[in-house]
Amino acid sequence: NAGVTQTPKFQVLKTGQSMTLQCAQDMNHEYMSWYRQDPGMGLRLIHYSVGAGITDQGEVPNGYNVSRSTTEDFPLRLLSAAPSQTSVYFCASSRDRGAQYFGPGTRLTVT
Amino acid sequence: SQQGEEDPQALSIQEGENATMNCSYKTSINNLQWYRQNSGRGLVHLILIRSNEREKHSGRLRVTLDTSKKSSSLLITASRAADTASYFCATVLMDSSYKLIFGSGTRLLVRP
Repeated sequence: NAGVTQTPKFQVLKTGQSMTLQCAQDMNHEYMSWYRQDPGMGLRLIHYSVGAGITDQGEVPNGYNVSRSTTEDFPLRLLSAAPSQTSVYFCASSRDRGAQYFGPGTRLTVT
Repeated sequence: SQQGEEDPQALSIQEGENATMNCSYKTSINNLQWYRQNSGRGLVHLILIRSNEREKHSGRLRVTLDTSKKSSSLLITASRAADTASYFCATVLMDSSYKLIFGSGTRLLVRP
């Protein structure tokens, strides 16, 4: 099993550009989530999904969209990138309310 | 504001010593989890303790939970240089969501 995979690993955007961060898992987990981690801080929940077709907002959803058309994939879209969105983004999945499995992260810089 | 807050923010110990990190949270939980993050990497799940449990062990890790004080502690015994990392507590609330809310973390340095 590959676990949770994220692409790209690194990305530089100009202010106002849009992009999609990809996340996929091969563990048949129902629950998937996106976090951002700013320097020296913990993770903050952006959006999460409890199954295909079901998404909800986390702590910091503004400026981001998600959709969940399959169990495996949970892409995160930045609509109009801003310097405040410079961060490291982590995707995670879990079967239930137990342990979450994290991807390696995407380091995003917005100039 | 974040559900969990860790204390201390940073901890430096000698190899072989024990390391204790504390986590406090604000609202009722379904379970509490501890994660480790090595520099520049993703998070790795260490241990989960449910709200009806008081103590749990996994290898050199010991976790306690006091729901009356809304606090948890992680003890790493006989620390090794390889334990150098950031440690985060995270809580799953009692509501119907699966949301995992993280604390701000403790940076542990184990000196050889």
